[in-house]
Amino acid sequence: GAGVSQSPRYKVAKRGQDVALRCDPISGHVSLFWYQQALGQGPEFLTYFQNEAQLDKSGLPSDRFFAERPEGSVSTLKIQRTQQEDSAVYLCASSRDLGRVDTQYFGPGTRLTVL
Amino acid sequence: GDSVTQMEGPVTLSEEAFLTINCTYTATGYPSLFWYVQYPGEGLQLLLKATKADDKGSNKGFEATYRKETTSFHLEKGSVQVSDSAVYFCALSDPRINTDKLIFGTGTRLQVFP
Repeated sequence: GAGVSQSPRYKVAKRGQDVALRCDPISGHVSLFWYQQALGQGPEFLTYFQNEAQLDKSGLPSDRFFAERPEGSVSTLKIQRTQQEDSAVYLCASSRDLGRVDTQYFGPGTRLTVL
Repeated sequence: GDSVTQMEGPVTLSEEAFLTINCTYTATGYPSLFWYVQYPGEGLQLLLKATKADDKGSNKGFEATYRKETTSFHLEKGSVQVSDSAVYFCALSDPRINTDKLIFGTGTRLQVFP
């Protein structure tokens, strides 16, 4: 069956460029999460959507980071004016239910390298 | 704030050896606890979980028991295989928070040799 997919899998950007990372969650999953994983570290929470509503964006590191999920399905994480410290793997996860702890299913990630 | 601490790797073992990867947590409430695994070239996947004290999660021969008194959730396996080589992440989620976001440890790389 189809899992969480992300595109592109790899992205190289020059410092100062804008990038957009896409996440296709599992069909019907209400909750969607974005995480950032630096090299050798565990994933760190960025933001959370419940359907199309962004309920928590406390992990976004700066106002250069913006996420949306306009129709409650596909989500896009946009990073403006990329900096070298933005280099990381960006993970998307989705889960079925809201209001209780449910299994999060992760995509393969997008590896962003900022030169 | 909530946090997870796990032993540094790499952990290097011979096939059929006993495995323990330590994980301790700090949380103000009663979190749910998870172990995720990342095999080479693959995405994170849930290995096991426990949602309340004294619960034991198990899967694929791996086990972990939620110990509230020691705030620990150590991962164990009685006999590892080469195919268990991966990075293992301990994580928690505070069910009081509506987002269910996961807080991860830094990961422990396991290398199993024949």
